[in-house]
Amino acid sequence: QVQLQQWGAGLLKPSETLSLTCAVYGGSFSDYYWNWIRQPPGKGLEWIGEINHSGSTTYNPSLKSRVTISVDTSKNQFSLKLTSVTAADTAVYYCAGAIFGVVIGYYYYYMDVWGKGTTVTVSS
Amino acid sequence: SSELTQDPAVSVALGQTVRITCQGDSLRNYYASWYQQKPGQAPVLVIYGKNNRPSGIPDRFSGSSSGNTASLTITGAQAEDEADYYCNSRDSSGNHVLFGGGTKLTVL
Repeated sequence: QVQLQQWGAGLLKPSETLSLTCAVYGGSFSDYYWNWIRQPPGKGLEWIGEINHSGSTTYNPSLKSRVTISVDTSKNQFSLKLTSVTAADTAVYYCAGAIFGVVIGYYYYYMDVWGKGTTVTVSS
Repeated sequence: SSELTQDPAVSVALGQTVRITCQGDSLRNYYASWYQQKPGQAPVLVIYGKNNRPSGIPDRFSGSSSGNTASLTITGAQAEDEADYYCNSRDSSGNHVLFGGGTKLTVL
């Protein structure tokens, strides 16, 4: 049973860098695609980006210029950095692990493990 | 297109059946996954693949797909099913991950 534990600073000032880390316990680290997702207050889920165990990344085009996701396979951890934050970056940030595959020509992709979320507030 | 579209809100009478839909071009090649989110909690996977439920998810939850539309059906909705529901897949290129805007389900 894979479990995720996430942590990082919860209060930032505008222009600072958001930094969060997610540790993976149990299961196989290399089986998953590791994601960061955020949810502004009262709004829906927004995908931030993804990394696999070999370090290949993909980011939401709307955030790509400010986002870096990295992985430390020796610690079974992955991290998120978001630069130049503003009040619009205030949200609950989740880490999640996804399974990605194909069966009979049809792809499947699902996030079956989630962290509890970290509330990040950007305020001067 | 790189979007998944959901109705913002749906309601169902207690014990009745409700279908929540998700539309997007990527769903012609991807099975949607579905998540339930209750206030103050992280999302929980309820349906993945063609029609699979993780351990612990009641069998009143089921999934289906036709063309560019995926559906989550709750047969015999319970009060505890009142929540926000999100669909998810990758985009048609496979390069990015998509979430639908979410559907708020009210059980009357």
